[in-house]
This record gives sequence, C-alpha cells and structure tokens, in this order.
Amino acid sequence: AQSVTQPDIHITVSEGASLELRCNYSYGATPYLFWYVQSPGQGLQLLLKYFSGDTLVQGIKGFEAEFKRSQSSFNLRKPSVHWSDAAEYFCAVGAAGGSYIPTFGRGTSLIVHP
Amino acid sequence: DAMVIQNPRYQVTQFGKPVTLSCSQTLNHNVMYWYQQKSSQAPKLLFHYYDKDFNNEADTPDNFQSRRPNTSFCFLDIRSPGLGDAAMYLCATSRGQVNPEAFFGQGTRLTVV
Repeated sequence: AQSVTQPDIHITVSEGASLELRCNYSYGATPYLFWYVQSPGQGLQLLLKYFSGDTLVQGIKGFEAEFKRSQSSFNLRKPSVHWSDAAEYFCAVGAAGGSYIPTFGRGTSLIVHP
Repeated sequence: DAMVIQNPRYQVTQFGKPVTLSCSQTLNHNVMYWYQQKSSQAPKLLFHYYDKDFNNEADTPDNFQSRRPNTSFCFLDIRSPGLGDAAMYLCATSRGQVNPEAFFGQGTRLTVV
C-alpha cells in the first residue's frame, strides 16, 4: 500500500526567506506525486506534479519540487516566501492502474512572519 | 474553464435533519470522490464512484450516502447529521486508472446546530 509522510506539522519562516517542505512516500513502482495547497476555507489547489521525466518540476506561484527516487522524497521548495504563501500544504502519491486513489500526507501548516 | 463546482459553499443544518451537498464537474472525469476534512487535518476519503461503480471506505458511517445520477453530478447525503459531522466536505474528480491527478472543488462548509 502506498503512504505519504510529512514529518513537519508546522513550519515557520520569515517573509523573504527560503522554504523547504518535506515529503517522503512509500510505493513499489514509479509514483505519481503531487503537492497541493489549501488556504483557509478553500479547496485544494494543485501546485505541481511529477509523473516522469525531469526530476525537478516547476509549479505555480514560484514553487518547485524535486523527485529523488533513492530517498523516496518529493520535497517542495520556494526561494523566497511571501506572506500570501501562508497556508496548509499537502503532499500526495498516486499511481496509474489499480492504485489510482491518491493518498495524502497529514499536511504541513506554513506560518509566515513579516 | 473546466472545473469542479460544489454547492452550496456554506450549509447550516439542524441536528438530525437530512442534508444534501452537491458536486458537478465539466471535466468528464470517470472518478468522483467525496472527502471529509476537519480542522487542521488531512482530507479523509468517504467514498468514490468510478463511473457508475460505488466504492465505500470501510470506516465511513452508514449515515453518509452518495448518489451519482450521471457523469457530471454527484451528491453527498447525510441522513441524520450529528454535531460530529460538522466539517468541510470536498469533492474531487480524476481520470482514475489513466491518471490519478485529483481536481478539487472549493468545498462545502457544513455547520450542524
């Protein structure tokens, strides 16, 4: 069975600082990996995704993530955080075929200090 | 734009009074999901439809039911809402076994009074 671990429940950064949110997954084959962002009272918005190819993927709002198969990780990064980035971030793993239902991590809450 | 739309965005219902939440999609996706999300928690899958096939999660209470009359629409029925059912309810769609990427609606915030 696939699983996702987001080890950090909360992350606090200063505006303008760099950001890295951690995500580790467990899946036997090549996974489909996603990062979603959720602002308060809203649904989940896709930031970026990895299916295959280049392991460094670019997303919306200046975010990027790198797939590292050897570490089973898909960490989300942003070089300079804006106050509007404060939100909940969810990593998810899925697969084509039988394991199509995405499995979500518990989420990381990003707090941005001015 | 193709999208997933949930109505209403906010719903207040009385304890024990049946309530229905709706979801529609213009993406023509095979799969429609219903998630329950409580404060500061990850979304919890209640059930999903793959085309017309209904798939219930083992721990979803019997109080929750769903209908999918056609490809575009899916409904979540809560037969007798309790205070513990107050939550954000999220609908999502995907192409299932072809592509698991999930597209979410904006959610319905349910309050039980």
